[in-house]
Amino acid sequence: TAGITQAPTSQILAAGRSMTLRCTQDMRHNAMYWYRQDLGLGLRLIHYSNTAGTTGKGEVPDGYSVSRANTDDFPLTLASAVPSQTSVYFCASSVGPSAKETQYFGPGTRLLVL
Amino acid sequence: EDQVTQSPEALRLQEGESSSLNCSYTVSGLRGLFWYRQDPGKGPEFLFTLYSAGEEKEKERLKATLTKKESFLHITAPKPEDSATYLCAVQAGTGANNLFFGTGTRLTVIP
Repeated sequence: TAGITQAPTSQILAAGRSMTLRCTQDMRHNAMYWYRQDLGLGLRLIHYSNTAGTTGKGEVPDGYSVSRANTDDFPLTLASAVPSQTSVYFCASSVGPSAKETQYFGPGTRLLVL
Repeated sequence: EDQVTQSPEALRLQEGESSSLNCSYTVSGLRGLFWYRQDPGKGPEFLFTLYSAGEEKEKERLKATLTKKESFLHITAPKPEDSATYLCAVQAGTGANNLFFGTGTRLTVIP
């Protein structure tokens, strides 16, 4: 079972360029999430989607946008990358959006913005 | 403000030397506490969910417990393959988008 796939695995990006990080899940989960993980900080939520067609802002949404056109895909876009967006990005999903649902994570995308 | 603190930051154990990792939290209205394991270069892997004080969960050499202020992850007779970073996360509020993570404990088990 694939679970959650993310692409690319890693990327070096020039500051000011745009980029879309892809996330696809095959578990038919309704809720999906994007987190960033930085050294010395816990995973922080960027954006989330409780169900296809809806999105919401997390703790650190500035500089990022998301869309949820269908159940399986949840792309994260950086419109104009800045060095502070250098991080490891994880996509996650859960069966539903309620507080007791377990979130399952993808393998991550390592992004370096120069 | 909701907070999650894990200790120690790093722990080195000899193979077979049991120990515990701590996750203390201050959240209003805890809905669930989650433990994950993260290997270098990988995504977090789900281990346990605890919902109420007094609850315990076990899986192989790992046992998670929960009180009203903290959770412990007990590791009994660890093996080198247990080496990883262990993350604690607490769910507050009514939505799954309120999951707050600690910074993790990096465990190294020496053969």
